[in-house]
Amino acid sequence: GGIITQTPKFLIGQEGQKLTLKCQQNFNHDTMYWYRQDSGKGLRLIYYSITENDLQKGDLSEGYDASREKKSSFSLTVTSAQKNEMAVFLCASSIWGYAEQFFGPGTRLTVL
Amino acid sequence: QQKVQQSPESLIVPEGAMTSLNCTFSDSASQYFAWYRQHSGKAPKALMSIFSNGEKEEGRFTIHLNKASLHFSLHIRDSQPSDSALYLCAVYSNNRIFFGDGTQLVVKP
Repeated sequence: GGIITQTPKFLIGQEGQKLTLKCQQNFNHDTMYWYRQDSGKGLRLIYYSITENDLQKGDLSEGYDASREKKSSFSLTVTSAQKNEMAVFLCASSIWGYAEQFFGPGTRLTVL
Repeated sequence: QQKVQQSPESLIVPEGAMTSLNCTFSDSASQYFAWYRQHSGKAPKALMSIFSNGEKEEGRFTIHLNKASLHFSLHIRDSQPSDSALYLCAVYSNNRIFFGDGTQLVVKP
């Protein structure tokens, strides 16, 4: 088995601030994902990465940057935090594109 | 662009009932179909998946897939309060997964 770790668990920032969320996986999976989940809603794909140094935009990439520095880690940056993007950000990984995705526990973002 | 839609948005059923959740998709070339379950405050977790037309059963859960009608469903037999969760359908096409917006299921004891 493996595990996905997301840091921090809770992130509080000011409006307009640049904020970074981190994700680490030890499954040795090739593909990693960042999703945003608004309260009680479904998952919206922000960025995904098929392999190290690869980046693909999802449906909600505007206002975000991502970085896949190595196979095991995937970072997401909120370039200018807004109050309407308070949500839980979920990181996931899978062995390849359509295999089962394993999710981390999430980072809850609050914007003051 | 793939469109994945779930119905109903929410559902309340009594304990012991049969529950049916639906998912439609728009890309007929879609290759992989799955259901994920997310209990309140937890991460989503894969429940079941199917690749080809037909039916697949695992315990109380059954998936039906009909690619021609662009539809797949999840049926839960003898629903339990522990089944109360957000259910997300997922479809793979164009080298990525598309999730639906979810069905919130409440099973009342």
